[in-house]
Amino acid sequence: GAGVSQSPSNKVTEKGKDVELRCDPISGHTALYWYRQRLGQGLEFLIYFQGNSAPDKSGLPSDRFSAERTGESVSTLTIQRTQQEDSAVYLCASGAGTQYFGPGTRLLVL
Amino acid sequence: GDSVTQMEGPVTLSEEAFLTINCTYTATGYPSLFWYVQYPGEGLQLLLKATKADDKGSNKGFEATYRKETTSFHLEKGSVQVSDSAVYFCALSEKSGSARQLTFGSGTQLTVLP
Repeated sequence: GAGVSQSPSNKVTEKGKDVELRCDPISGHTALYWYRQRLGQGLEFLIYFQGNSAPDKSGLPSDRFSAERTGESVSTLTIQRTQQEDSAVYLCASGAGTQYFGPGTRLLVL
Repeated sequence: GDSVTQMEGPVTLSEEAFLTINCTYTATGYPSLFWYVQYPGEGLQLLLKATKADDKGSNKGFEATYRKETTSFHLEKGSVQVSDSAVYFCALSEKSGSARQLTFGSGTQLTVLP
């Protein structure tokens, strides 16, 4: 597609439930990143995929967070047993030298 | 580790005023520097970038110069418009292992009044 797309755009869930967020990168982009943006703050790096290499998971805040990507296509970020502190906008970006961002998924954990 | 510090907001200006948003960074190597903009209800967009010392990035009337001696990348615009109202993020990218993730500042909210 023309840009990075993410779904859902908004997600409201109850504490303790699992959620899955999806990212479709720009076609041909081998690099894909997930970031988290808490209210009033900058973005925090979560995880990075580059082609078929092992992902860089150094930014994941806990073992409740995981992400997958098949080849150079769609990626999913999964948060298990959600906590209220997980409420944030989750942003996906693709591209190497310059990263292009999707519109984000706004997650609210009640 | 790497870090970015940018001017705290919110910043409120009248149309046609001069804008400066300060940004300084800490990095171990030679990072690339970026300004991203987030308009209300929209995703992050790259505004401009500079990849080496003394480079000037420019776009839509905005400029920023990569100053290695002062580790700064201040954003400037000579005459702001109401449509420039947005949140501006300074960021750096430095290769760490296999990744080249962005490290962001906390963002500066700009409101331009007519």
